[in-house]
Amino acid sequence: EVQLVESGGGLVQPGGSLRLSCAASGFTFSGYSMNWVRQAPGKGLEWVSYISTSRNATYYADSVKGRFTISRDNAKNSLYLQMNGLRDDDTAVYHCVRGRGGYWGQGTLVTVSS
Amino acid sequence: QPVLTQPPSSSASPGESARLTCTLPSDINVGSYNIYWYQQKPGSPPRYLLYYYSDSDKGQGSGVPSRFSGSKDASANTGILLISGLQSEDEADYYCMIWPSNAPVLFGGGTKLTVL
Repeated sequence: EVQLVESGGGLVQPGGSLRLSCAASGFTFSGYSMNWVRQAPGKGLEWVSYISTSRNATYYADSVKGRFTISRDNAKNSLYLQMNGLRDDDTAVYHCVRGRGGYWGQGTLVTVSS
Repeated sequence: QPVLTQPPSSSASPGESARLTCTLPSDINVGSYNIYWYQQKPGSPPRYLLYYYSDSDKGQGSGVPSRFSGSKDASANTGILLISGLQSEDEADYYCMIWPSNAPVLFGGGTKLTVL
């Protein structure tokens, strides 16, 4: 069974940092590109970032470019999102997503507030 | 503001069909892209339903009933999700997505489907 389990969310002050993790199981992690997609409370889906299977390609939404960094460790079956310079409008549930959305994790809530 | 335009809401009665649309901006040709569709119920992550490129290139998500189908209206530059034989359990938010090569992934703003 495919499982994606996010962790690392929480309450952080504006300007602060958080590192999200996603533990993958039930499939060959190294064989799939991965994404982070977020959803602000009561709002729609917003794609955040993409990483290719071998980490040689990464893409970011304009809203997070220069502040967020996506990475992966295929040996640990894990995906990460380093978030720096957090802003109020980064408040959202962050989902780890396999490939083009075939599987989604439950998400981890990031709240940016003073 | 989402780049892909979806009506905020739609409604239909049980047993009827619901036609949900996803309109692309004029500078993005619907004919060039797979259109992906997701269903989201309150408190749950989105669920992959299907993708549609053409009648010969489409795919259904695992366990997704065949009464969910995709199509395109090239004249309107629009992707379409058709749900036939509506059931109460189909009440949810529905999102479309496209994945341009070497470009950001684009989502629609979502349509809230109410089964009357």
